[in-house]
Amino acid sequence: AQKVTQAQTEISVVEKEDVTLDCVYETRDTTYYLFWYKQPPSGELVFLIRRNSFDEQNEISGRYSWNFQKSTSSFNFTITASQVVDSAVYFCALSEREYGNKLVFGAGTILRVKS
Amino acid sequence: DAGITQSPRHKVTETGTPVTLRCHQTENHRYMYWYRQDPGHGLRLIHYSYGVKDTDKGEVSDGYSVSRSKTEDFLLTLESATSSQTSVYFCAISDRRGNQPQHFGDGTRLSIL
Repeated sequence: AQKVTQAQTEISVVEKEDVTLDCVYETRDTTYYLFWYKQPPSGELVFLIRRNSFDEQNEISGRYSWNFQKSTSSFNFTITASQVVDSAVYFCALSEREYGNKLVFGAGTILRVKS
Repeated sequence: DAGITQSPRHKVTETGTPVTLRCHQTENHRYMYWYRQDPGHGLRLIHYSYGVKDTDKGEVSDGYSVSRSKTEDFLLTLESATSSQTSVYFCAISDRRGNQPQHFGDGTRLSIL
């Protein structure tokens, strides 16, 4: 069965600190996809990144970076030099090829960035 | 932004009443989904559709039904609302299976008293 665990319920940092959000997943499929979404205080869900199981290259987009490690079933998200606007709930999600595009979400991590 | 409109955006109703939430898309995407968001659970899939009149159950489908008579509309119905169905409901769309990200509507906050 597919499962996503975000063990960090809430993280508080001071502006300009780096912060890493952890995501651990479980799947028996060999083809799967991992996603991160951001939910700012306004409530909408914003897609950040998709990674497929065959591509373990890390990705960097501005201050955001993602580290995908199949060996530890982890897909961690790092924000460098955090800003107040990064304050949001961040969700990691998994979909398996065998089950179509049904997303299974982690419980989310609340990130609070203080000025 | 993906053209997804959810209506209503907020609703308060009483236990035992029927409730229908609507999701309308202008992207002509094949796949549509209904999720509910509750503290400590993230988002959980209620039902999804892979085409007109083609729907299937998700993880938390009990107490809910859906219909899709047109590509652009996906309706979620609570036949007899209960307080446990108080939640924020999100609709999502995607144009292909598997690796395509889903894009979400702005959500409907439903309170059942």
